[in-house]
Amino acid sequence: GAGVSQSPRYKVAKRGQDVALRCDPISGHVSLFWYQQALGQGPEFLTYFQNEAQLDKSGLPSDRFFAERPEGSVSTLKIQRTQQEDSAVYLCASSLRGGTNTGELFFGEGSRLTVL
Amino acid sequence: AQSVTQLDSQVPVFEEAPVELRCNYSSSVSVYLFWYVQYPNQGLQLLLKYLSGSTLVKGINGFEAEFNKSQTSFHLRKPSVHISDTAEYFCAVSDGTGAGSYQLTFGKGTKLSVIP
Repeated sequence: GAGVSQSPRYKVAKRGQDVALRCDPISGHVSLFWYQQALGQGPEFLTYFQNEAQLDKSGLPSDRFFAERPEGSVSTLKIQRTQQEDSAVYLCASSLRGGTNTGELFFGEGSRLTVL
Repeated sequence: AQSVTQLDSQVPVFEEAPVELRCNYSSSVSVYLFWYVQYPNQGLQLLLKYLSGSTLVKGINGFEAEFNKSQTSFHLRKPSVHISDTAEYFCAVSDGTGAGSYQLTFGKGTKLSVIP
């Protein structure tokens, strides 16, 4: 497809389970971002990749969160031992260039995670 | 760190009336400013952006925004709204210089409801 694709769109997990969220960016886009959007809040930065390199992971809330982009295209956000406070929509975005964000970010529809 | 304040969480407005959605950001030497729109069940979409130059920026769907450095504001306006403008609008800022300029900081969003 032409846009950023995320899967699954909806995920319900029991507390303590591990989850993996996938992001397929637009082909050829160098930069990939993960954001977390809690209910009633704006998106908050989690991590940033330029090609396969994770240049910034300062927004990851804890060491239970892990992201990878091994071949510089598809990315996976993994959350281990999920907690209720992890419930949120996880947004993936990509952009054509790396570095300075003067361009447009293309967002996926998000993966809504509910932890029971 | 940057911060963004969207002063109104919800704005109801009658169809064909004008609307202004307010956004203030924390001061920095140089900033890039963005407005994104999120229609129900869709990803965020760039509405317009200010990088430099003219302080009046025009975007898609008849929206415009004005960058006011002295008031650290970037309010979004439309002279006549349509039902289809019903959505959530997010103001975002990034550092215009330096290594952190790829990172967007979002406001909490303003839900615009257009009343027939």
